Amino acid sequence: DTAVSQTPKYLVTQMGNDKSIKCEQNLGHDTMYWYKQDSKKFLKIMFSYNNKELIINETVPNRFSPKSPDKAHLNLHINSLELGDSAVYFCASSHEGDRVNYGYTFGSGTRLTVV
Amino acid sequence: AQKITQTQPGMFVQEKEAVTLDCTYDTSDPSYGLFWYKQPSSGEMIFLIYQGSYDQQNATEGRYSLNFQKARKSANLVISASQLGDSAMYFCAMRDLGWRAQKLVFGQGTRLTINP
Repeated sequence: DTAVSQTPKYLVTQMGNDKSIKCEQNLGHDTMYWYKQDSKKFLKIMFSYNNKELIINETVPNRFSPKSPDKAHLNLHINSLELGDSAVYFCASSHEGDRVNYGYTFGSGTRLTVV
Repeated sequence: AQKITQTQPGMFVQEKEAVTLDCTYDTSDPSYGLFWYKQPSSGEMIFLIYQGSYDQQNATEGRYSLNFQKARKSANLVISASQLGDSAMYFCAMRDLGWRAQKLVFGQGTRLTINP
């Protein structure tokens, strides 16, 4: 069983389209995240939800909207896609009550290509 | 604010040699965690090792060890007896763990290539 699963793995779409990426975790974690990895491999946090509450909202265009229907799911919806949105998007989760290790478990990533 | 710096964009090492990947950090929080992740060409992020700021011993996980030098604010990853499968991007990351744990912040990464 995959701990953090993202779908789709690859997404190719035209400029101006609206698309969603889905993420689910079966680890019982209470916090989920979206990260963006750019072409230079730099990873930057976009959003974080704790028990369905938005707790981190970095400087991200309004075209990006996260939605968390429950603490096991965090989806990312992107409106009016632009060429610069092409990147790999990673979902991650963590359990903030874990005193041993505050690390994140990452999904396998979604490679978004806007043409 | 948290900051992580990896100054080696690329490293080339002969198979079976040990390799050290550098990482320095900056934070004003006395409680923090340091992490290393591996990203192979397949793209997934694989957790390797964790060091807490109050841990007395340097962390070790199999062939991976973390050389934690608190006064110098460095957290270098040491891979012993390197293997071809170690070729990948390696990311150092940290989180402040004060009254409320902060986000995980990553360095720029180091691309490690193991030569046969």
